[in-house]
Amino acid sequence: DTGVSQDPRHKITKRGQNVTFRCDPISEHNRLYWYRQTLGQGPEFLTYFQNEAQLEKSRLLSDRFSAERPKGSFSTLEIQRTEQGDSAMYLCASSLAGLYTGELFFGEGSRLTVL
Amino acid sequence: AQSVTQLGSHVSVSEGALVLLRCNYSSSVPPYLFWYVQYPNQGLQLLLKYTSAATLVKGINGFEAEFKKSETSFHLTKPSAHMSDAAEYFCAVSGTSNTGKLIFGQGTTLQVKP
Repeated sequence: DTGVSQDPRHKITKRGQNVTFRCDPISEHNRLYWYRQTLGQGPEFLTYFQNEAQLEKSRLLSDRFSAERPKGSFSTLEIQRTEQGDSAMYLCASSLAGLYTGELFFGEGSRLTVL
Repeated sequence: AQSVTQLGSHVSVSEGALVLLRCNYSSSVPPYLFWYVQYPNQGLQLLLKYTSAATLVKGINGFEAEFKKSETSFHLTKPSAHMSDAAEYFCAVSGTSNTGKLIFGQGTTLQVKP
């Protein structure tokens, strides 16, 4: 199966530590999105890339958050100096620009627990 | 700005009963609208989408939704609930710019009772 994959699936860390999540999109997809989902809420947009360019960032993405997609393929989302409020599911999705059907293909998410 | 409101965070139906999950949207431009389903420990999966063609949209697993511009609604229905339909359902609207970004509602958890 060549769907969107995310790693790790679960991460437990102590407050103040840095964490990094990786997302591998569907191979031919040039757009990649990061969302955050907290319990009882819908996914909230964080940022998106088209190829290697980061084209939009949400105000939710504080200075402690950084995302990269260096070669236009996989992406990483790093959270520095984690806080308990960062505990959430981090979702990655991909799509193909230009052939707009509106559908985003989601991975299973990376769940972060900050103690 | 665009937004989505899902009425009812929890809906409970009996197996075989009608499923109705409500979604209202706000958009300054003609919207694209979506319903996604999330089963426990799985990623979001597209159920159906409206992209300005037919107003009655059929999706997977017997679900359908009707786009009603006058009511700014896109409610999800299924004539007969099955136990396997128990999941969380999200309505979403596409952003105003051509980014492909989706804006989601807060979700509705569907419980199906035997």
